[in-house]
Amino acid sequence: DTGVSQNPRHKITKRGQNVTFRCDPISEHNRLYWYRQTLGQGPEFLTYFQNEAQLEKSRLLSDRFSAERPKGSFSTLEIQRTEQGDSAMYLCASSYGTVTYEQYFGPGTRLTVT
Amino acid sequence: AQSVAQPEDQVNVAEGNPLTVKCTYSVSGNPYLFWYVQYPNRGLQFLLKYITGDNLVKGSYGFEAEFNKSQTSFHLKKPSALVSDSALYFCAVRDMASGSARQLTFGSGTQLTVLP
Repeated sequence: DTGVSQNPRHKITKRGQNVTFRCDPISEHNRLYWYRQTLGQGPEFLTYFQNEAQLEKSRLLSDRFSAERPKGSFSTLEIQRTEQGDSAMYLCASSYGTVTYEQYFGPGTRLTVT
Repeated sequence: AQSVAQPEDQVNVAEGNPLTVKCTYSVSGNPYLFWYVQYPNRGLQFLLKYITGDNLVKGSYGFEAEFNKSQTSFHLKKPSALVSDSALYFCAVRDMASGSARQLTFGSGTQLTVLP
């Protein structure tokens, strides 16, 4: 059973640099979500894809953030001109339509902006 | 807007004793409710859910939760705690009346420590 995978697991970058994270969902799952989690807080929703279409975006997703899901398979989340406030754990989750209401999470990518 | 409150940042319980982790929610429509557990440096692991039906739902590792509509609560319980249950627990809700129905809104988490 291959769950949700995310790469890289850790990323350290300097302020102002661009970073890109990848998420591979569970293979039959058509819905994919990105969340951000900071220390001591629960995950906060960023964006949601159904197949290749990005259907929802949070106000947290500033114009420096962009997400894609080409061909409805893996997804990438890019942060341009990183700021120290972007330091967080970025979590990806997937689910399968209305068959499984629960979302299955990957291990996350921990971003540190210095 | 939907919200979740976990009133206790920390819960300590002795091994073998029953445990309860509290969660209350606020939604405008019907709630779908979830519990997740997070171990250090790991992602969130699904424990159980309430969608409809029986108010007492059973999940993984002997955990269960009781949905109480009048008190808008969904407390997580286990009859006999294990040291290995020590982790961070999150309650989450989906508001089925919301236009943003697919996203989960999480509480701030409760750190459970089971003492040997």
